[in-house]
Amino acid sequence: SAVISQKPSRDICQRGTSLTIQCQVDSQVTMMFWYRQQPGQSLTLIATANQGSEATYESGFVIDKFPISRPNLTFSTLTVSNMSPEDSSIYLCSVEYFKVRHREAFFGQGTRLTVV
Amino acid sequence: KQEVTQIPAALSVPEGENLVLNCSFTDSAIYNLQWFRQDPGKGLTSLLFIQSSQREQTSGRLNASLDKSSGRSTLYIAASQPGDSATYLCAVRPLEGAGGTSYGKLTFGQGTILTVHP
Repeated sequence: SAVISQKPSRDICQRGTSLTIQCQVDSQVTMMFWYRQQPGQSLTLIATANQGSEATYESGFVIDKFPISRPNLTFSTLTVSNMSPEDSSIYLCSVEYFKVRHREAFFGQGTRLTVV
Repeated sequence: KQEVTQIPAALSVPEGENLVLNCSFTDSAIYNLQWFRQDPGKGLTSLLFIQSSQREQTSGRLNASLDKSSGRSTLYIAASQPGDSATYLCAVRPLEGAGGTSYGKLTFGQGTILTVHP
């Protein structure tokens, strides 16, 4: 399994500001994934981050709002820009490992964001 | 488009009960299915993982079964404890590509909120 560290674990931010969330993995991975979980909802994939290339965003998510960096194979950041109360969610970083003919997902502890 | 539904949405049981959580999915062409646990305000912990060719997986008091043809998976928790209280999420990874030769991204259910009271 993977050890995935996310920072910060939680934050309360003013609307109109930006927050950068960091994700560190204890081993090299090709792809890292960022999810959003709105209150009472399930997880929605925001984007897939590959090292050395631009992130691939899912429908409904854009780079200007959620810029992602992936400087190396163990680290990624997600920025939530120009925040509004609707951005209040848990943001989760995930990696997947392929082993013995299967692909398994692991998650960080999440960042609980409240926008006021 | 794959849709994943979990029933019940919430469950409250006394300590010691055996219980079953249900997960159904609309497209049986899956690569694998994974069960997660999420504590309030926290990230996800992987509990059990079932490849499409498997029927069940067991880990301690947990047993997950998969019936791909009917689009169903169940998570069985034996002798429940207050520490089992959490949200349980089911996630399905679809097969993709010509002949189902590759796999897609995870689709999550809404989760079952489990409360085990002493």
